[in-house]
Amino acid sequence: NAGVTQTPKFQVLKTGQSMTLQCAQDMNHNSMYWYRQDPGMGLRLIYYSASEGTTDKGEVPNGYNVSRLNKREFSLRLESAAPSQTSVYFCASSAGLAGGRTDTQYFGPGTRLTVL
Amino acid sequence: GESVGLHLPTLSVQEGDNSIINCAYSNSASDYFIWYKQESGKGPQFIIDIRSNMDKRQGQRVTVLLNKTVKHLSLQIAATQPGDSAVYFCAERSGNRDDKIIFGKGTRLHILP
Repeated sequence: NAGVTQTPKFQVLKTGQSMTLQCAQDMNHNSMYWYRQDPGMGLRLIYYSASEGTTDKGEVPNGYNVSRLNKREFSLRLESAAPSQTSVYFCASSAGLAGGRTDTQYFGPGTRLTVL
Repeated sequence: GESVGLHLPTLSVQEGDNSIINCAYSNSASDYFIWYKQESGKGPQFIIDIRSNMDKRQGQRVTVLLNKTVKHLSLQIAATQPGDSAVYFCAERSGNRDDKIIFGKGTRLHILP
């Protein structure tokens, strides 16, 4: 079991470039999440997907799009990167609400993105 | 609005002593709380959780205490070890149907030799 995997680990972009961050989980989880983490701050939710085929905005969705490709994969796309999007991005997954309300999230190792 | 915060951004503890990391929350409707540990360069890792119908829950070397009266959560680590050095986040899940988790800003635990 690899758990939650993310690619790439590091990425440098120029302002205006686009890219997609990939996330996959092998735990048969229903719910998946994308967070960003900035220095001295906690994790802020960008988008989440409660189940395959659904996506919803989180706290900071502007400038991002997501795709729940299938149950395993949840990608995050930056269409036109801006320096304010320099951050560490974490993907997470959880079993989902069907398992009750104690729904532990499991995190990937993160992607460090720098936008110049 | 809802918020989860921490009293201290950095906590230094002597190796072998007990550590207590505190967290305040403001949403009285929150019904589930989690502590995560994040080591440098890694993603957050689940440590322990507690439902709002409990006051205390124990794990291996860790104990979480919940005081709903003052909306306070704490994480106690017994016999702190060098491997406990990390940033610790508390998080809450609101009682609303969206069930999103809100994370606090984190406390860095520094172990003194």
